[in-house]
Amino acid sequence: SQKIEQNSEALNIQEGKTATLTCNYTNYSPAYLQWYRQDPGRGPVFLLLIRENEKEKRKERLKVTFDTTLKQSLFHITASQPADSATYLCALVGDYKLSFGAGTTVTVRA
Amino acid sequence: GAVVSQHPSWVICKSGTSVKIECRSLDFQATTMFWYRQFPKQSLMLMATSNEGSKATYEQGVEKDKFLINHASLTLSTLTVTSAHPEDSSFYICSARFRDRDNEQFFGPGTRLTVL
Repeated sequence: SQKIEQNSEALNIQEGKTATLTCNYTNYSPAYLQWYRQDPGRGPVFLLLIRENEKEKRKERLKVTFDTTLKQSLFHITASQPADSATYLCALVGDYKLSFGAGTTVTVRA
Repeated sequence: GAVVSQHPSWVICKSGTSVKIECRSLDFQATTMFWYRQFPKQSLMLMATSNEGSKATYEQGVEKDKFLINHASLTLSTLTVTSAHPEDSSFYICSARFRDRDNEQFFGPGTRLTVL
């Protein structure tokens, strides 16, 4: 069966450190993968998209890698700030449909 | 740009009643709209996909007679939860996609439904 697993439910880090989140998937062949941010009681907000032929993508303090051999994506938040505290979701795209992982909740301590 | 709104943001209803949730794309015409449901600490689960002017396509296990979707225009889709029961209590989120950026979905803020 198809599965999307995000490494941990919660991640607590000190301000200024790098948060690294993992997304592993099985029985998917996604054309691309997306990362979203979701704040409590709100809909997800799109952050980054990475295609199957791209190894790495950056946007400001965010970096995403995509390894289709390992079936894994890593999401990094560098120089983290308390405002980065949220739940981060990875989503695989196939036939224009999104399949989401359960998310990792990041808490950045000042 | 690419703003999606939902109304209401929260609703409380009695068991057995029907509830309608609206999803609007405010500054673009949506070729496709999607409805998701999210239970606490769980991932978003796609319920159905709807294209303007055609019937919605429901995901396996989603009752189409219970969750009625109408996509009457390129900027409006509605989800009606019929004969709601406490187990239907959840966070319902819509998203929309448009032709020139069909790799992305733009999400609404969600609607919290509580059925007593």
